[in-house]
Amino acid sequence: DAGVTQSPTHLIKTRGQQVTLRCSPKSGHDTVSWYQQALGQGPQFIFQYYEEEERQRGNFPDRFSGHQYPNYSSELNVNALLLGDSALYLCASSGGGPTNSPLHFGNGTRLTVT
Amino acid sequence: GQQLNQNPQSMFIQEGEDVSMNCTSSSIFNTWLWYKQDPGEGPVLLIALYKAGELTSNGRLTAQFGITRKDSFLNISASIPSDVGIYFCAVNSGNTGKLIFGQGTTLQVKP
Repeated sequence: DAGVTQSPTHLIKTRGQQVTLRCSPKSGHDTVSWYQQALGQGPQFIFQYYEEEERQRGNFPDRFSGHQYPNYSSELNVNALLLGDSALYLCASSGGGPTNSPLHFGNGTRLTVT
Repeated sequence: GQQLNQNPQSMFIQEGEDVSMNCTSSSIFNTWLWYKQDPGEGPVLLIALYKAGELTSNGRLTAQFGITRKDSFLNISASIPSDVGIYFCAVNSGNTGKLIFGQGTTLQVKP
């Protein structure tokens, strides 16, 4: 039974570029959330997707957008990359609806913006 | 905004020692979670707490949900080298599934 899988594992981009990160939730899970983890900090909530809609959003600009597909997989898109967007991006999934916790996390995508 | 204060920020202990860390908030929460993160990996759930006053164990780990619902404690008994990592507390904000994390406690164990 595969857990949460994310791709790619590492990515290097230049300022101003756009990036797409991908996530497959744990089998049986229907809700996907994305978190940004800066070095030395705890994860920060970006947004949550359930039934292919964004249900909640954290304090992140509109440059951060997402999508959820009918098979529950999800994408995180970041436009006009800034140096400060360099971080570990974590995908988490849960089952039984969007209010449930705890979440199961993937190993993340390490994004470096130069 | 809502914040969790996690203490201590880091710990360096001898193998075999017991460890205690805590997490406090100015707000009330109905779910407290403890995660561990190893280098290069995502956080892994250790213990979930759903009731004030609840004491739950997972092997050598024991966590308690404070009676005021504003704090939680995690204890590790007889530490071993593989306990090394960063421990995060987290709460389910507004029971919405959105997690708020503490800043983490970095644990190092000397063999």
